[in-house]
Amino acid sequence: NAGVTQTPKFQVLKTGQSMTLQCAQDMNHEYMSWYRQDPGMGLRLIHYSVGAGITDQGEVPNGYNVSRSTTEDFPLRLLSAAPSQTSVYFCASKSTGAANTEAFFGQGTRLTVV
Amino acid sequence: RKEVEQDPGPFNVPEGATVAFNCTYSNSASQSFFWYRQDCRKEPKLLMSVYSSGNEDGRFTAQLNRASQYISLLIRDSKLSDSATYLCVVNPPNAGKSTFGDGTTLTVKP
Repeated sequence: NAGVTQTPKFQVLKTGQSMTLQCAQDMNHEYMSWYRQDPGMGLRLIHYSVGAGITDQGEVPNGYNVSRSTTEDFPLRLLSAAPSQTSVYFCASKSTGAANTEAFFGQGTRLTVV
Repeated sequence: RKEVEQDPGPFNVPEGATVAFNCTYSNSASQSFFWYRQDCRKEPKLLMSVYSSGNEDGRFTAQLNRASQYISLLIRDSKLSDSATYLCVVNPPNAGKSTFGDGTTLTVKP
């Protein structure tokens, strides 16, 4: 099973460039989310989605856009990259059924903005 | 006050030691609870769920105390390979976002 797949694994951007981080899951999970993790820090929620066509902001949404046109995909777009966005980005998905199961993570995208 | 709080540590223990982590949560209606393990900025992975009656998986024991709103993780006979950051996770009663603690770092030394 592929689970949650993120691409690319590494990326270097120049300040002001835009790019999209891709996230796909094959588990038919309703809920998907994006986190960033800075060195020595915890996960901070950027945006999340509870289903196709529905997105909402997390605690650090500024500078990022998301869309959820299908259940499987949840891309994260950086509008105009800044050095402060240098971080590791994780995508996660989970089922929101009665069991309210655990979240599954992608392997992360290590982004450097110079 | 954060929704989920953990002692960041670090906890430095010798091999064979027993170590315990606690995690407190603020939403009394929280429904499900988990412990995750994260190695060196790799993705977090599920270590174990936490059930109301407490549960054990080998050297790991998880407990839930709803009255005091905390969960705990006990690691017995620590191994070098247990060195990692341990995250507690709390899920709300509805189909909403999980809340992650910032993690507790454990280093097991020879």
